[in-house]
Amino acid sequence: DADVTQTPRNRITKTGKRIMLECSQTKGHDRMYWYRQDPGLGLRLIYYSFDVKDINKGEISDGYSVSRQAQAKFSLSLESAIPNQTALYFCATSDTLTGNEQFFGPGTRLTVL
Amino acid sequence: AQRVTQPEKLLSVFKGAPVELKCNYSYSGSPELFWYVQYSRQRLQLLLRHISRESIKGFTADLNKGETSFHLKKPFAQEEDSAMYYCALRKGSGAGSYQLTFGKGTKLSVIP
Repeated sequence: DADVTQTPRNRITKTGKRIMLECSQTKGHDRMYWYRQDPGLGLRLIYYSFDVKDINKGEISDGYSVSRQAQAKFSLSLESAIPNQTALYFCATSDTLTGNEQFFGPGTRLTVL
Repeated sequence: AQRVTQPEKLLSVFKGAPVELKCNYSYSGSPELFWYVQYSRQRLQLLLRHISRESIKGFTADLNKGETSFHLKKPFAQEEDSAMYYCALRKGSGAGSYQLTFGKGTKLSVIP
């Protein structure tokens, strides 16, 4: 089945470290998104990309960067991790053929000590 | 800017009782509204969208533009409905129209 996968699924790191979270999809979708989920705050958009040459900031992009290496791959980087970036991170994909429904990955739980 | 409000963080109902999860939005244009659900240990998935006007797992939601609401309803709650529910809005057109703005979520707990 076509899917959205994320690696790693869990990560514990220390303040100041550089971290990369990876997202891959086999759905053939052109749009990809990164969200973070915090208890009581719901999901907030970090970055999104409509194709390989298109990267856009979302609601909370400070402290994050992204790379769209290919249509199927979208990576999120924390250049210098801080404790308030501890959260559950989700990747999602969509395209016009899905009626703009977004398909989510399983999430990466990141803890910054 | 658009906003989605889910006033209840937690909603507990007994099995067989009616369920209503509230969602209100603020957006000056014509939005598209969605309900997403996250069951325990599963990924977020679409439950329904207003343009489909369909019933999924017994849930329905009607877009009320006058009240700017998109409440999720089910006449008889089941234990398997226990989950986190998110209301989301997509701008109808213009810049950023493919982004979703999510509410903070409501955790539904169905008591046996």
